[in-house]
Amino acid sequence: EAQVTQNPRYLITVTGKKLTVTCSQNMNHEYMSWYRQDPGLGLRQIYYSMNVEVTDKGDVPEGYKVSRKEKRNFPLILESPSPNQTSLYFCVSVGSYNEQFFGPGTRLTVL
Amino acid sequence: GQSLEQPSEVTAVEGAIVQINCTYQTSGFYGLSWYQQHDGGAPTFLSYNGLDGLEETGRFSSFLSRSDSYGYLLLQELQMKDSASYFCAVRANKFYFGSGTKLNVKP
Repeated sequence: EAQVTQNPRYLITVTGKKLTVTCSQNMNHEYMSWYRQDPGLGLRQIYYSMNVEVTDKGDVPEGYKVSRKEKRNFPLILESPSPNQTSLYFCVSVGSYNEQFFGPGTRLTVL
Repeated sequence: GQSLEQPSEVTAVEGAIVQINCTYQTSGFYGLSWYQQHDGGAPTFLSYNGLDGLEETGRFSSFLSRSDSYGYLLLQELQMKDSASYFCAVRANKFYFGSGTKLNVKP
C-alpha cells in the first residue's frame, strides 16, 4: 500500500530536549516536505526537499532542521524545542501530478 | 508575495450543490489543487488543475482559470460525510495553502 508514515504520532516533551520526528514514504517520490498546522494559521511549510541531499527552507524554518540522505526518509529535527513549536506536524510526499500525500500527523506538545 | 483567499465557512444541506472558491496571487504558477481534511485527520488529495477548465472526479469537480487567478471546487449531491475543511493549494516554486473552508452539511 502506498503510504507516508510518521513517528511518533503523539509526543509530549519539555523545552530544550532534542527530538526527531521520522518520516518515510514508499512511493519513490523525489519531493517531500514538512508542514505544521495551527488553529487560525492553516498549513505552513517548514522545509522541503526536491531530491536526495537537496533541502530548502519553507515559510517557517526557524527552530527546525531536516536531512535527506536517502529518497524514502525525511526526518524533522527540533534541536531545542520551545513551547511555540507545539503543533500538529505533517510529512508530505509529492507525486508526479503534484498531488501531495500526507502522513497521519504528529501531535507535539512542548512544555 | 503569495496569497490565497477562500471563504472561511460554508453551510449547505444534504443533497445540495456547493461551490468553494479560491483566488490566488503568486508568481511562477504551475497549478491549483484541493484537499479535504476531516477533524482529527490528515488532509487528503482531491484534485489538481494544471490547465484551464473543469476536472471531474465523481461527485467532486474542480475548475481553474489561470487568466483570472481563480479556481473552485464543486461538490454535488452533498452527503453528511462531506462535512470537513477544504483547502486550495498552489504549486509555484513551492507549495502554498489557503487557510481552509469549513463545510457544514446539514440534514
